[in-house]
Amino acid sequence: AQSVTQLGSHVSVSEGALVLLRCNYSSSVPPYLFWYVQYPNQGLQLLLKYTSAATLVKGINGFEAEFKKSETSFHLTKPSAHMSDAAEYFCAVSAKGTSYGKLTFGQGTILTVHP
Amino acid sequence: KAGVTQTPRYLIKTRGQQVTLSCSPISGHRSVSWYQQTPGQGLQFLFEYFSETQRNKGNFPGRFSGRQFSNSRSEMNVSTLELGDSALYLCASSLSGWTGQAGNEKLFFGSGTQLSVL
Repeated sequence: AQSVTQLGSHVSVSEGALVLLRCNYSSSVPPYLFWYVQYPNQGLQLLLKYTSAATLVKGINGFEAEFKKSETSFHLTKPSAHMSDAAEYFCAVSAKGTSYGKLTFGQGTILTVHP
Repeated sequence: KAGVTQTPRYLIKTRGQQVTLSCSPISGHRSVSWYQQTPGQGLQFLFEYFSETQRNKGNFPGRFSGRQFSNSRSEMNVSTLELGDSALYLCASSLSGWTGQAGNEKLFFGSGTQLSVL
């Protein structure tokens, strides 16, 4: 079974600063990995996904993530935070060969951006 | 193209009652998944339907059930509600749902139904 651990339930940055949200996964085989964002009172929106092509994945809104097999990590970064990035972020995993609709999510990281 | 639509947006029920939530996927999507989101347990997978068949099921008691209709719309039902069932229930849809096609697919989420059990 796969699992996901997000390090830090809350991350606070200043506007313009680097955003780094950490995600480590546990899986017997390289899985598919995803980052989702959830704004208040809304559903989840896909930021980016890793499906065993390029290890550096670029997503929407200037976010990117790098898959590091040796570290079993898939950290999310953005060079310069914007106030509109304030939201909750979820890392998720699904096993290859199983249903895409069945995702295992991390506990989430709430990102606060200060002016 | 309309997104994933969930109704109702809010529900208030009392313990022991039952509830039915509805989800209309994006047109053309045949896979519908349901998730429960709570502050304590986070996002947990409930079940997934494809072509009116349950394809996957999470670790929830039998009080939680679902179904999918021929037009891909889905409903989930919770019987004998408990206080701990208070949560945001999210529905998600995708074309086929198989990871073999993950490179071409996305999972789209609705805004959810907020269920409060008193």
